[in-house]
Amino acid sequence: DQQVKQNSPSLSVQEGRISILNCDYTNSMFDYFLWYKKYPAEGPTFLISISSIKDKNEDGRFTVFLNKSAKHLSLHIVPSQPGDSAVYFCAATSLRGFGNEKLTFGTGTRLTIIP
Amino acid sequence: EAGVAQSPRYKIIEKRQSVAFWCNPISGHATLYWYQQILGQGPKLLIQFQNNGVVDDSQLPKDRFSAERLKGVDSTLKIQPAKLEDSAVYLCASSLPHRGTEAFFGQGTRLTVV
Repeated sequence: DQQVKQNSPSLSVQEGRISILNCDYTNSMFDYFLWYKKYPAEGPTFLISISSIKDKNEDGRFTVFLNKSAKHLSLHIVPSQPGDSAVYFCAATSLRGFGNEKLTFGTGTRLTIIP
Repeated sequence: EAGVAQSPRYKIIEKRQSVAFWCNPISGHATLYWYQQILGQGPKLLIQFQNNGVVDDSQLPKDRFSAERLKGVDSTLKIQPAKLEDSAVYLCASSLPHRGTEAFFGQGTRLTVV
């Protein structure tokens, strides 16, 4: 049962344009969402997160949007840069776990920025 | 600040052999996680420790996988005997207590079972 889904395995975007990565979830208990970035041969690194009490969180070139009714979130990167080429994982958890914030990851989207 | 250290980086073994992975978390991080990432999939939590106690091992195949965290610092994950489907990257992560959303990951150990 895939509770967090990233339906696009790959995405190619021209440098300078906007990259939009999508993520859907099915578990209504999830109330905190994260995006991780992963380069080859490295572990995932935290990028940005959003709580379910918000519908948008912005950090520099990265913005995450959350649509709770649709159980959908998206990561916008603008403008896209060659260094953004990586695999992006969406993850979700419930903060009601009294400290046991187990992360459930999606399958990832490989983003390639074309110079 | 030193990151999460894992060794070895790569391991190739034959099926039915045993293998062990080691993880040294960030200093002061009481919570330690082991994830399995199969090619084309996202990381899946195998086991979570709080100090040297197990918080969650619901997805750990206990017939062949075992993990320990003696003294609440370093951890070892063992597979015995290995199967072909165990081929994956094994990621260790650590965080401050009750801060699982702020976990830091190591580089992982890529296991190939032939």
